[in-house]
Amino acid sequence: DTGVSQNPRHKITKRGQNVTFRCDPISEHNRLYWYRQTLGQGPEFLTYFQNEAQLEKSRLLSDRFSAERPKGSFSTLEIQRTEQGDSAMYLCASSPGSSVSQFFGPGTRLTVL
Amino acid sequence: DQQVKQNSPSLSVQEGRISILNCDYTNSMFDYFLWYKKYPAEGPTFLISISSIKDKNEDGRFTVFLNKSAKHLSLHIVPSQPGDSAVYFCAASERIGTNFGNEKLTFGTGTRLTIIP
Repeated sequence: DTGVSQNPRHKITKRGQNVTFRCDPISEHNRLYWYRQTLGQGPEFLTYFQNEAQLEKSRLLSDRFSAERPKGSFSTLEIQRTEQGDSAMYLCASSPGSSVSQFFGPGTRLTVL
Repeated sequence: DQQVKQNSPSLSVQEGRISILNCDYTNSMFDYFLWYKKYPAEGPTFLISISSIKDKNEDGRFTVFLNKSAKHLSLHIVPSQPGDSAVYFCAASERIGTNFGNEKLTFGTGTRLTIIP
């Protein structure tokens, strides 16, 4: 399967714990995006990488959130001191840059108890 | 402030008939519009897009129409098939910086389409 992959698919954690998610984009795609989706809403943009450079961050991305893409390939999204309001589906997408369409992974569902 | 709106949470259509999904937007800076389809437990799947300088784009059974003056777009699916039953998201693209392809998507809240056999 050469699509976008995300791990883990599900994560249950207690409030105050740190969590980290991983995204592996389609191999030839140099653009990588993170989105968050809550129940009844569409995905909301969080941040964007072109290769290893983080070029845009949403104001939704509080100081507790950090994303990296160290070698321009896979990316990680870390949430520190999780809160119940962080419960959501976290989606990763990639694109080649030659088109505007973004290709999404299956997402990581986070539940904060 | 919701910049992309899908006012119909759900739509039911008979198999073989036309499905029309609607979307409105407020930001004139959007340069592309996209439709995604989502099944439960999967990420959104790209269907079709249209540039803001076009008024129609067609791909097989899917056609997207853009009315820029009304800030309205629609997705037509003809003929509708049972496998089309899913949640459909309208998304608008805004360029990040100056390079083509660096795009931030703003999504609507989705319309659940059910095709009745």
